[in-house]
Amino acid sequence: DAGVIQSPRHEVTEMGQEVTLRCKPISGHNSLFWYRQTMMRGLELLIYFNNNVPIDDSGMPEDRFSAKMPNASFSTLKIQPSEPRDSAVYFCASSQGSQETQYFGPGTRLLVL
Amino acid sequence: GDSVTQMEGPVTLSEEAFLTINCTYTATGYPSLFWYVQYPGEGLQLLLKATKADDKGSNKGFEATYRKETTSFHLEKGSVQVSDSAVYFCALSDPGGSQGNLIFGKGTKLSVKP
Repeated sequence: DAGVIQSPRHEVTEMGQEVTLRCKPISGHNSLFWYRQTMMRGLELLIYFNNNVPIDDSGMPEDRFSAKMPNASFSTLKIQPSEPRDSAVYFCASSQGSQETQYFGPGTRLLVL
Repeated sequence: GDSVTQMEGPVTLSEEAFLTINCTYTATGYPSLFWYVQYPGEGLQLLLKATKADDKGSNKGFEATYRKETTSFHLEKGSVQVSDSAVYFCALSDPGGSQGNLIFGKGTKLSVKP
């Protein structure tokens, strides 16, 4: 299996621009997670989906962040407008059930100038 | 709610030294316990897991035993290598708890010097 695929791997943008991060989970996994990792705050769960349905979005920082999962093989995390404090590494992970072993993608390194 | 507490790093060791990274947890039910490792520039990957009390997870020379009486899951390795330098995360899942996902600790950074 190819594992969890994320794109882009690196993104540099200017404040105020829209940023869209993409994730393809492992085939057959029905849970998908978005995390953010920074030096200051460590690893934070932003949102997770079960069977394409958002279950817990309490970690989403604010209305500028939104996530969708239109089908079992694709999810997006959008930031609009982006701000410098959004600079971080964003990870997507998937699992066969929300309590099972999670498999992480390589991450997207976002820098907002 | 459920939580995981790890020893704070960074931990710096010489090659071939013995490693222990402490992890304790709080959970309402009967959780599964995990150790994940994150190498520089990469995502987290599962290192080992244990699903019930007294189970021992092991992989790549690392071991951790699920201790229900002390609510602990300490990670150990008898002889570390430079290639073990990474950040290690302890995590739990609690099917009977209120949170429907894995709960991660803050991570412990390990640096192994030659």
